Amino acid sequence: EPEVTQTPSHQVTQMGQEVILRCVPISNHLYFYWYRQILGQKVEFLVSFYNNEISEKSEIFDDQFSVERPDGSNFTLKIRSTKLEDSAMYFCASSEANVEQPQHFGDGTRLSIL
Amino acid sequence: QKEVEQDPGPLSVPEGAIVSLNCTYSNSAFQYFMWYRQYSRKGPELLMYTYSSGNKEDGRFTAQVDKSSKYISLFIRDSQPSDSATYLCAMTSGAGSYQLTFGKGTKLSVIP
Repeated sequence: EPEVTQTPSHQVTQMGQEVILRCVPISNHLYFYWYRQILGQKVEFLVSFYNNEISEKSEIFDDQFSVERPDGSNFTLKIRSTKLEDSAMYFCASSEANVEQPQHFGDGTRLSIL
Repeated sequence: QKEVEQDPGPLSVPEGAIVSLNCTYSNSAFQYFMWYRQYSRKGPELLMYTYSSGNKEDGRFTAQVDKSSKYISLFIRDSQPSDSATYLCAMTSGAGSYQLTFGKGTKLSVIP
């Protein structure tokens, strides 16, 4: 069964450093998403991406964050200057269409900021 | 008032029991409702996906949506130890917004 793949599974970074989280969405999917889950809290929406553009973003997704689809298969989330509060699980998701098709999630990248 | 509320549990049941998991929500614009299962150190895995009010059944799982009460449920029949996981409800309006709003998740343990 096709799945969303995320790398790395765990990333440890010094505060202030840049980090790039990578995702390979399901191949025929057109919509891509990033969510995060701080330990003990809800899964929160960050951003959605369609047709090489951000279609929606939350208040969390400030100027420190950016997303890119650098080629036909990868979808990345970059955090420019990491803060301690960026420590969380980051999940990538993809869907075939917008809302009529459900979102499928990867297993996440655990980001630890020291 | 929190947008989506879900009892975090933990909920512990014997094998074979019927499990009932619930979420309430406040945003009447929500039209699409999902249940995800999350095992430890894994991502959310889609279980059920429903639109508007009504019931949907898939094997041992039944999802119910009551939009008039802003209440959704997931029933698991003949629960198995392999059902032990955290269950997340999620929803979206679909009206130009596809972001999912999640509940906090209910941790379920099925005891053999």
